[in-house]
Amino acid sequence: GDSVTQMEGPVTLSEEAFLTINCTYTATGYPSLFWYVQYPGEGLQLLLKATKADDKGSNKGFEATYRKETTSFHLEKGSVQVSDSAVYFCALSASSGGYQKVTFGTGTKLQVIP
Amino acid sequence: DVKVTQSSRYLVKRTGEKVFLECVQDMDHENMFWYRQDPGLGLRLIYFSYDVKMKEKGDIPEGYSVSREKKERFSLILESASTNQTSMYLCASSLFNSRADTQYFGPGTRLTVL
Repeated sequence: GDSVTQMEGPVTLSEEAFLTINCTYTATGYPSLFWYVQYPGEGLQLLLKATKADDKGSNKGFEATYRKETTSFHLEKGSVQVSDSAVYFCALSASSGGYQKVTFGTGTKLQVIP
Repeated sequence: DVKVTQSSRYLVKRTGEKVFLECVQDMDHENMFWYRQDPGLGLRLIYFSYDVKMKEKGDIPEGYSVSREKKERFSLILESASTNQTSMYLCASSLFNSRADTQYFGPGTRLTVL
């Protein structure tokens, strides 16, 4: 079945540091790829997405490129802020039995210290 | 903005009790989902519904049932709560049955079964 693997956390960075959170996937067909973010005490919300190979999703300074050849969708940000502290989930959406099913990674907790 | 609300943020129940978790979305979305979120396991799909009165099992439906009598409301039912159902429960909705579709999440209900 489909699966998403993302790097174990927690990741602790100083403010203004460069962030990379790795995500790789296994899927049949042509999935869409997503990054969701969960701030403390809240549900998940979409951060960015890409629906086909070589697409780049971007939002709030975060970027990720859909790499079909390496089955990856790594999340990057050039300069993190304390307000970026949250849990980040990589996810894919693909067809399964006539429905669209979303498979989530286990989440990576990011802590940014001043 | 899409708003997904859940009836309780925190709930404490006793083993064997029947538990109802309610979810309401206000954007006329076709699809609704129930997930549970556990540390190290990410989000796992319990049930989903693509239309009123329709439901489909997700990856971990055992011990749960659902009800969707109106388009905007999707209820998760624990027929006889057990301690291994202590978890964070997240409701989500999406507009279409498309792999590019974003899921919109509620804030979650943290359920403790004693």
